[in-house]
Amino acid sequence: DAGVIQSPRHEVTEMGQEVTLRCKPISGHNSLFWYRQTMMRGLELLIYFNNNVPIDDSGMPEDRFSAKMPNASFSTLKIQPSEPRDSAVYFCASSLGVMGLGGEQFFGPGTRLTVL
Amino acid sequence: AQSVTQLDSQVPVFEEAPVELRCNYSSSVSVYLFWYVQYPNQGLQLLLKYLSGSTLVKGINGFEAEFNKSQTSFHLRKPSVHISDTAEYFCAVSDKGNTPLVFGKGTRLSVIA
Repeated sequence: DAGVIQSPRHEVTEMGQEVTLRCKPISGHNSLFWYRQTMMRGLELLIYFNNNVPIDDSGMPEDRFSAKMPNASFSTLKIQPSEPRDSAVYFCASSLGVMGLGGEQFFGPGTRLTVL
Repeated sequence: AQSVTQLDSQVPVFEEAPVELRCNYSSSVSVYLFWYVQYPNQGLQLLLKYLSGSTLVKGINGFEAEFNKSQTSFHLRKPSVHISDTAEYFCAVSDKGNTPLVFGKGTRLSVIA
């Protein structure tokens, strides 16, 4: 298996622009998680899906952030408009739900976002 | 809600010396426990996990961890570290499937030649 695939790997944009991060989970996994990692705040869970349904988005910092999972093999995290404080590494992870949501997660390589 | 405390943010250690990275979690209910490793510019990868059974868990790259229910701890150990072990290590816990993993803030292990 190719593992969790994220694109792009690096994104540099200017403040105010829309940014879309993409994730393809491991085939057969039914839970998907979006995280943000910064030096100051560490690893933060933004939102997670189970069977394509958003379960908890309480970690999404504000309305500028939105996430979708239109099918089992694709998810997007969108920031509109982007701000310099959104600069971070964004990770997508997926898991197989036989152990419920608390099972082992498989992480993608991350997208490094820089907002100028 | 669960919380995870990694007591040391940075641990420097000389090559071939033993190391212990500490992790404590908040709840005494039944839990799943994990250690993940993150090498520079990479995603997190699983090092080892405790689901049930033996409290001593062996993982990849010679690491092991011991689940101590009474002390709500899951410390990570390696008897002899290598330069290649330099990375950030994250402890994570879940309350047996009901909610996603809760991660600690990480411990940066630096192995010195």
